Amino acid sequence: AQRVTQPEKLLSVFKGAPVELKCNYSYSGSPELFWYVQYSRQRLQLLLRHISRESIKGFTADLNKGETSFHLKKPFAQEEDSAMYYCALMTTDSWGKLQFGAGTQVVVTP
Amino acid sequence: GAVVSQHPSWVICKSGTSVKIECRSLDFQATTMFWYRQFPKQSLMLMATSNEGSKATYEQGVEKDKFLINHASLTLSTLTVTSAHPEDSSFYICSASLSSPPYNEQFFGPGTRLTVL
Repeated sequence: AQRVTQPEKLLSVFKGAPVELKCNYSYSGSPELFWYVQYSRQRLQLLLRHISRESIKGFTADLNKGETSFHLKKPFAQEEDSAMYYCALMTTDSWGKLQFGAGTQVVVTP
Repeated sequence: GAVVSQHPSWVICKSGTSVKIECRSLDFQATTMFWYRQFPKQSLMLMATSNEGSKATYEQGVEKDKFLINHASLTLSTLTVTSAHPEDSSFYICSASLSSPPYNEQFFGPGTRLTVL
């Protein structure tokens, strides 16, 4: 069965410090991976997806098929990055369904 | 960008009553909508996939007779919680997929907080 693991429930970092959110998945086929972000009192929104290889708000994520990982990184955290981050997996046979990880709460302190 | 709305944003009802939640794609057509449930400080759990003009597909463990889904048009899906009980209290979130590329991007609604007394 497919699975998405985000091992950290909470990440607390200082402003300006690097931040890395871990995401591992289990799926034998070709996955599509996403990072979604939910700011306080706001709806879930797409941050980035691996196929676009974009950098959004300074965040990047690289799909490592060997390690089945899709870690999210930002070199210099900002206070406005404080939010809940969810890694999500879409499989080729899921008809567009997303499977979410448990989420990581990021708190950036000044 | 694509906008999805939900109505109501919150609802309180008595045990045994039914509650309908609407999910609308405001500026795009969505052949597929998804319904999620989110418990406090937990992740989103997919309940069902709603396809316009056909029956919804429910995830394992989700009672289809309790959570009725109707997707009557390309811009509206409804979730009706029938004979609600306190354990149905939760945050219900819908999302909609674009009918045009990128097909598999989901846009999320703001959620509906349901409290059953």
